[in-house]
Amino acid sequence: DTGVSQNPRHKITKRGQNVTFRCDPISEHNRLYWYRQTLGQGPEFLTYFQNEAQLEKSRLLSDRFSAERPKGSFSTLEIQRTEQGDSAMYLCASSSPRRGGSGNTIYFGEGSWLTVV
Amino acid sequence: AQSVTQLDSQVPVFEEAPVELRCNYSSSVSVYLFWYVQYPNQGLQLLLKYLSGSTLVKGINGFEAEFNKSQTSFHLRKPSVHISDTAEYFCAVSDRLYSGGGADGLTFGKGTHLIIQP
Repeated sequence: DTGVSQNPRHKITKRGQNVTFRCDPISEHNRLYWYRQTLGQGPEFLTYFQNEAQLEKSRLLSDRFSAERPKGSFSTLEIQRTEQGDSAMYLCASSSPRRGGSGNTIYFGEGSWLTVV
Repeated sequence: AQSVTQLDSQVPVFEEAPVELRCNYSSSVSVYLFWYVQYPNQGLQLLLKYLSGSTLVKGINGFEAEFNKSQTSFHLRKPSVHISDTAEYFCAVSDRLYSGGGADGLTFGKGTHLIIQP
C-alpha cells in the first residue's frame, strides 16, 4: 500500500475564496473519511463515503462544504466562500472492513493545512 | 454516543524514564479502542489497537496499552522513552455496532502532548 495521499499539503487563501482538497485513499479501500483538526484539538469527523455513496455527514459540515467521491476512488472536499474559522488541517482517511485482519483500522493521510486570511 | 477523555493535555518526562498517558472513554455499547501518534505538521499514525482478545495490546515503537473494561480505560505506556517520542498522542474509540456498515468513524480525545526532556 502506498498510503493515503492528500494535496495540496498547504493552502493559504483569502476570505471568501473557494478551495478544493483532494484525497487518494489506499487502493481498494472502499471507505473514505474526512476529518477536521484545529490547533490543540483532536480530529473531528466531517463525513464518510462507502464506495461512491456519501453515507453520513456531521453537523460540522455546513452547506459551504461539499465532498464527492464520484468513482469510488479519490475524493474531493470543497469549501466555498471560506471564512477565517475554516482555518484547520483537513485529514483524509480510508479503511477496508473486508480486508481480513484489519478490523476497523482507519489509515490517515498527512493532512491538508488551510489558512484563511 | 461515545466520548473520550484524555486526562492530561501535556506530560513532561525525562529521557529513558517510563511514561503512562491516560485515556478514559464512555459508550453505551462495546467499542474498539485505538492510540494514534501525530508528529509535528504530519497526519496520524496508528500506534496500536484493541479489537478483542487479550487486554494487553502491544504496538509499534515499544508502546503498549491495557484495556480495562470495568474502569473504561485504555492507558498507553512505554517503559523507556526516547527523545524521538516527542509528539501528540490521541486516544480514539469506534463503536462496534457500526462495524458491519454505516459510519465506523472514530471519536478522538483532545490529545496529550508528550514532551521528552533530555
